Amino acid sequence: GAVVSQHPSWVICKSGTSVKIECRSLDFQATTMFWYRQFPKQSLMLMATSNEGSKATYEQGVEKDKFLINHASLTLSTLTVTSAHPEDSSFYICSARDRESGANVLTFGAGSRLTVL
Amino acid sequence: GQSLEQPSEVTAVEGAIVQINCTYQTSGFYGLSWYQQHDGGAPTFLSYNGLDGLEETGRFSSFLSRSDSYGYLLLQELQMKDSASYFCAVRRGDRGSTLGRLYFGRGTQLTVWP
Repeated sequence: GAVVSQHPSWVICKSGTSVKIECRSLDFQATTMFWYRQFPKQSLMLMATSNEGSKATYEQGVEKDKFLINHASLTLSTLTVTSAHPEDSSFYICSARDRESGANVLTFGAGSRLTVL
Repeated sequence: GQSLEQPSEVTAVEGAIVQINCTYQTSGFYGLSWYQQHDGGAPTFLSYNGLDGLEETGRFSSFLSRSDSYGYLLLQELQMKDSASYFCAVRRGDRGSTLGRLYFGRGTQLTVWP
């Protein structure tokens, strides 16, 4: 089945630094990927839709200058948390659809846990 | 915007049947999905309803009533490994998007006891 890989799985950084998270579709091409964040025991909040070769579409209330998304190829999207602060500490998960699984199925990566000190 | 309501917690014993309800309000509704997430893990797809009615996949079934903006996930013959969080999610398609974005409820924590 479809596999989405995320890296790193966890990262600790100092306040004010930037952190990049990679999301790869391993065995399929994804023209669109979705980035979510999740706080403990909370819902998955859609942050943005990453579009290959064009600008990402951000959800209302998500700062695009804070969360930079680049979808440079059909198998890779990156999320950069710029000038991270403790309130950015969260679980970030990416997802994508592949044609074999069907348009109604999202395959999620294992997530990246960010802790900002 | 959109809103989804589902119970925060449900408990049951092995072998029992559990129903997790979900009501939603959204524009551009395409369909209702259900995902399972174990602690610290990735959400995994369980079921999708684009049309009214019941979809059955093994021990899991899902139902949708578009007129009532309501759906449920039915888990039968519960096993310990079914202890997890279950999320309903609405699939939306607007602003010309053909792929549709997925918006999640707050999740229902299911605990299965022996």
